[in-house]
Amino acid sequence: EVKVLQSGGGLVQPGGSLRLSCAASGFTFSAYVMTWLRQAPGKGLEWVSSLTAGGRSTYYADSVKGRFTISRDNSKNILSLQMTSLRAEDTAVYYCAKQWGGAIFDYWGQGTLVTVSS
Amino acid sequence: DIQMTQSPSSLSASVGDRVTITCRASQSISKSVNWYQQTPGKAPKLLIYAASSLQSGVPSRFSGSGSGTDFTLTISSLQPEDFATYFCQQSDTTPWTFGHGTKVELK
Repeated sequence: EVKVLQSGGGLVQPGGSLRLSCAASGFTFSAYVMTWLRQAPGKGLEWVSSLTAGGRSTYYADSVKGRFTISRDNSKNILSLQMTSLRAEDTAVYYCAKQWGGAIFDYWGQGTLVTVSS
Repeated sequence: DIQMTQSPSSLSASVGDRVTITCRASQSISKSVNWYQQTPGKAPKLLIYAASSLQSGVPSRFSGSGSGTDFTLTISSLQPEDFATYFCQQSDTTPWTFGHGTKVELK
């Protein structure tokens, strides 16, 4: 059974930093692109960042480029998102997702709320 | 960026109704559209990928169609567990973008 379990998140002040993590099981983690997406309160879904299976290539939305860093540890089946210089508009539920066949998100974590507020 | 325009934004329906949701892409994207279902407080769930392929484990009352710029998600006979919000997503070009969602409510 595929499982994607997220941790991290919480309340942070504007300009602060936060790290999200996602532990995956039930599939060959090292064979798949992994992705972070987010959903602001009451809003739609936004793709944030993706990382190729081997970890060599990263992709970011313009809204987070230069502030967020995606990484993975294939030996531990863990995906991470380091978020810095956080802004109020980064407030959202963040989801980790397994990606296949281009950009099909077939398994999602439970989501974790990040609130950026003073 | 490719814009995905979803309609309607909400609809009211009864159990047993046939429901159709549409999504229009701002440019041609072949069949690169996926559909997700989201219930309150939960993560989205993949229903349909590549416009018309049913994800494993998803009931056959869900179907998708379309190509180019116009896509449709159909629920043939609405069930109580189908009251949720549905999103389309294009997987043709980064950044991957989503429609704003269609909330299906009980009439």
